[in-house]
Amino acid sequence: DIVLTQSPATLSLSPGERATLSCRASQSVSTYLAWYQQIAGQAPRLLIYDASNRATGIPARFSGSGSGTDFTLTISSLEPEDFAVYYCQQRSNWPLTFGQGTRLEIK
Amino acid sequence: EVQLLESGGGLVQPGGSLRLSCGASGFTFSSYGMSWVRQAPGKGPEWVSAISGSGVNTYYADSVKGRFTISRDNSKNTLSLQMNSLRADDTAVYYCAKRIAPTLGQNYFDSWGQGTLVTVSS
Repeated sequence: DIVLTQSPATLSLSPGERATLSCRASQSVSTYLAWYQQIAGQAPRLLIYDASNRATGIPARFSGSGSGTDFTLTISSLEPEDFAVYYCQQRSNWPLTFGQGTRLEIK
Repeated sequence: EVQLLESGGGLVQPGGSLRLSCGASGFTFSSYGMSWVRQAPGKGPEWVSAISGSGVNTYYADSVKGRFTISRDNSKNTLSLQMNSLRADDTAVYYCAKRIAPTLGQNYFDSWGQGTLVTVSS
C-alpha cells in the first residue's frame, strides 16, 4: 500500500499568513493526489485534485503543487474559516489511501 | 444539488452484522463510481470499498475483504455496504462518497454524505 506522510502534524499560524502543508508518498503517485479540508463534525471537502486542480467552488487562495512523491498545499492568505484539518489522498494505486492529516490552528 | 444520505449505523456486538445504505440524488447515479470511506474517532479517513457505476467492478481494503460487501441498486439510486463479522476496530463514522467524474480512474470524492456511526462493542 502507498503510505502518505503529512507534515507538520500541527501548524500554528495567524489569519493573513501563508500556510504550506506537505504530503510525501512512499512511492511515486505521479500527479494523482488530492487535498481535502475537514472541519470538526463535518465530512471532508475536496479542495485540490490531480495535484494542482482546484475543485469546483474552491477559492483561489488554495493551490497545490508537486509530482512523484512530494506535494504541497499552499493557502496564500489564511482566512478564519481555513483553520481545520487537511488530508491528502492518492488514487494512483489500489487501495486508495489518505495521509494522517495536518491540523491548522490559530496562533 | 448532489445529496447523499447514509443510514443503518448503530451499536452492534463483536461478530455481528450491519447493513448500511446511502440514498443518492441530484446526479445520474448510474454514471458514477461510489465508495465507502470510514473515519475512526480522532483518526484520518480510511477508504473501505468502491464500486463502479454499473456495479460490475468492486474493490476492497484488505482490512475488510471477505467481511464486507458493497453493492448498488441503480433503479433506486441506492448504495449499500453489508458488514459481517464486525470487530471493535471497525468502529467509525461511515461515509458514502461520490467520485468526482464518471471517467475511469478519477477516484477522488467531491460529494460526501453526513456519515453514519457504527459502534462495535459488547
